Amino acid sequence: DIQMTQSPSSLSASVGDRVTITCRASQSISYSLSWYQQKPGKAPKLLIYAASSSQSGVPSRFSGRGSETDFTLTISSLQPEDFATYYCQQSFSTPFTFGPGTKVDIK
Amino acid sequence: EVQLVESGGGVVLPGRSLRLSCTTSGFTFGDYAMSWVRQAPGKGLEWVGLIRSNSYGGTTEYAASVKGRFTISRDDSKSIAYLQMDSLKTEDTAVYYCTVMMVMLNFDYWGLGTLVTVSS
Repeated sequence: DIQMTQSPSSLSASVGDRVTITCRASQSISYSLSWYQQKPGKAPKLLIYAASSSQSGVPSRFSGRGSETDFTLTISSLQPEDFATYYCQQSFSTPFTFGPGTKVDIK
Repeated sequence: EVQLVESGGGVVLPGRSLRLSCTTSGFTFGDYAMSWVRQAPGKGLEWVGLIRSNSYGGTTEYAASVKGRFTISRDDSKSIAYLQMDSLKTEDTAVYYCTVMMVMLNFDYWGLGTLVTVSS
C-alpha cells in the first residue's frame, strides 16, 4: 500500500499569511494527488485534484503543486473561513490512502 | 445540484450486520463510480471501498480492513449505492461517507455522513 505523510500535523497562522502544507507519498504516484478541506462536524470537500487542478468554485487562494512523491498545498492569503483540517489523498492505486491531516488554526 | 444522502446508520452489536444506503440526485448516477469513506471519532479519513460503473463492469474493490465483511452494490435504476456491513467489529465505529468519483478517481462530492456505532 502507498503510505501518505503530511507536515506539519498542525499550524497556527494569522489572517493574510501564506500557508504551505506538504504531503509525501511512499512511492511515485505521478500526479494522482488530491487535497480535501474538512471543517469540524462537516464532510470533506475536494479542493485540488491531479496535484494542481482546482475544483470548480474553490477560491483562487488555494493552489497545489508537485509530482512523483512530493506535493504541496498553498493558501496564498489565509482567511478566517480556512480554519479546517486538510488531507491529501492518492488515487494512483487502490487501496486509496489519505494523509493523517494538517489542522490549521487561525491565530 | 449534486446531492448524496446517507442513511441506515445506528447502534449495532458486535458481530451483527447493517446496511447503509446512499441516495443521490443531480447527476447521471450510472455513469460514475461510487466510493465509501469512513472516519472514526476524532481520527482521519479511511477509504472503505468502491464500485465502478457498469460501463467498467460494476466491479468492486475494498480496503483490507473490511474485505470479506463489507459489500458495496448499486441500483442504477434508483440512483442508490449500498454498503452492506457484516460481522461488524467495534473498530468499525465511524461516520460513513458516500462519495461520487467523477474526475480522475477523486472523491468529487460527499454526503453528510451517517454514524455507525458498534458496541455491546
